[in-house]
Amino acid sequence: ETGVTQTPRHLVMGMTNKKSLKCEQHLGHNAMYWYKQSAKKPLELMFVYNFKEQTENNSVPSRFSPECPNSSHLFLHLHTLQPEDSALYLCASSQYKLAGNNEQFFGPGTRLTVL
Amino acid sequence: GENVEQHPSTLSVQEGDSAVIKCTYSDSASNYFPWYKQELGKGPQLIIDIRSNVGEKKDQRIAVTLNKTAKHFSLHITETQPEDSAVYFCAVAGGGADGLTFGKGTHLIIQP
Repeated sequence: ETGVTQTPRHLVMGMTNKKSLKCEQHLGHNAMYWYKQSAKKPLELMFVYNFKEQTENNSVPSRFSPECPNSSHLFLHLHTLQPEDSALYLCASSQYKLAGNNEQFFGPGTRLTVL
Repeated sequence: GENVEQHPSTLSVQEGDSAVIKCTYSDSASNYFPWYKQELGKGPQLIIDIRSNVGEKKDQRIAVTLNKTAKHFSLHITETQPEDSAVYFCAVAGGGADGLTFGKGTHLIIQP
């Protein structure tokens, strides 16, 4: 185990539902990340938080809303998603944000299916 | 922004042979180059990384080489074993970005 946990591991939702993904890191890190992994595409960085402050939003649609209440927890709130949003959503953490070139640890991901 | 190209997309080698995966990047300011291994149902796991101030790094059967002038880096796995079968991703960081930019991945298949 990497010290980064994600729940739920699998989620099926309709386009009108509201759901949340949760990530928790037990490594004492200060930076946390959300990535999207779609079939046949590279992992895409979505959001970066450093010391609870958002430092990067990679042009992500507003139907994805991140929340970082403290350095150990990261949420991704989902609402009115589209079928093309179906993917594996990965959370990661590092000691500091990657401008400092720190090793990044990934969780197992949440497999999201939007019907 | 950064652009990372990874080749090949699929690589099949005989057990015991070597495997080489190559990546190129576009931003000359990039300075951190990790390689991740992803097994089915798991998140990516760091296997080796290299920073721009060195040209080569080795850890047992795994090595990474970096050519900053040509903006490419490679993963070398020697004496491959069945448990090496997985998807491998190269990634790049630095140049002002806060996160990693990934290649598309290489599906490595070790034939018994």
